[in-house]
Amino acid sequence: GENVEQHPSTLSVQEGDSAVIKCTYSDSASNYFPWYKQELGKGPQLIIDIRSNVGEKKDQRIAVTLNKTAKHFSLHITETQPEDSAVYFCAASRAGAGSYQLTFGKGTKLSVIP
Amino acid sequence: SAVISQKPSRDICQRGTSLTIQCQVDSQVTMMFWYRQQPGQSLTLIATANQGSEATYESGFVIDKFPISRPNLTFSTLTVSNLSPEDSSIYLCSLKGGWRGSTDTQYFGPGTRLTVL
Repeated sequence: GENVEQHPSTLSVQEGDSAVIKCTYSDSASNYFPWYKQELGKGPQLIIDIRSNVGEKKDQRIAVTLNKTAKHFSLHITETQPEDSAVYFCAASRAGAGSYQLTFGKGTKLSVIP
Repeated sequence: SAVISQKPSRDICQRGTSLTIQCQVDSQVTMMFWYRQQPGQSLTLIATANQGSEATYESGFVIDKFPISRPNLTFSTLTVSNLSPEDSSIYLCSLKGGWRGSTDTQYFGPGTRLTVL
């Protein structure tokens, strides 16, 4: 089955700096890679996702890159703000209408220091 | 207003009792799931809630402990039975398909925080 490794487990950055979280996956058939942000006391919120037919996707201050050959993908947050502080989870699965399951990384606790 | 709602949002229960968690979605969805998130941990899939039939459980989870119902395409319940302190977790409803257009994108409810004394 799929295995997703996520690093680092904790990350502290100064407000305004960039943050990068990296994930690797094992199943070469995986082709869908979402990222979730979970604030304290809340459910995970989808913030961005990427499919294997593209190498990069951006949404304002957030970007995700994918290297299919190396089987790794990364989340980049620029100009970090205190409200970016949360736990971030990466995940991988096969795409499609079937019952393909998301495999999650263990999470990264991001702290943005004002 | 929330598009995925869970009730209760939190509860404190005595060991040996049961808790039933409800998940309501504001439109029909193809697939609904139940996850467990133990304190400080990642998300673990308990089961896929199948509409009109028995749920499909992941390894390590059994129907007697986690009975699930899904009577229609917008509602599901998860019961955590015979509670022990090890069941203290956040339980999350999740869905994908037929909602907001994507068959792949998966969304999560706000979660139910369960504490067992």
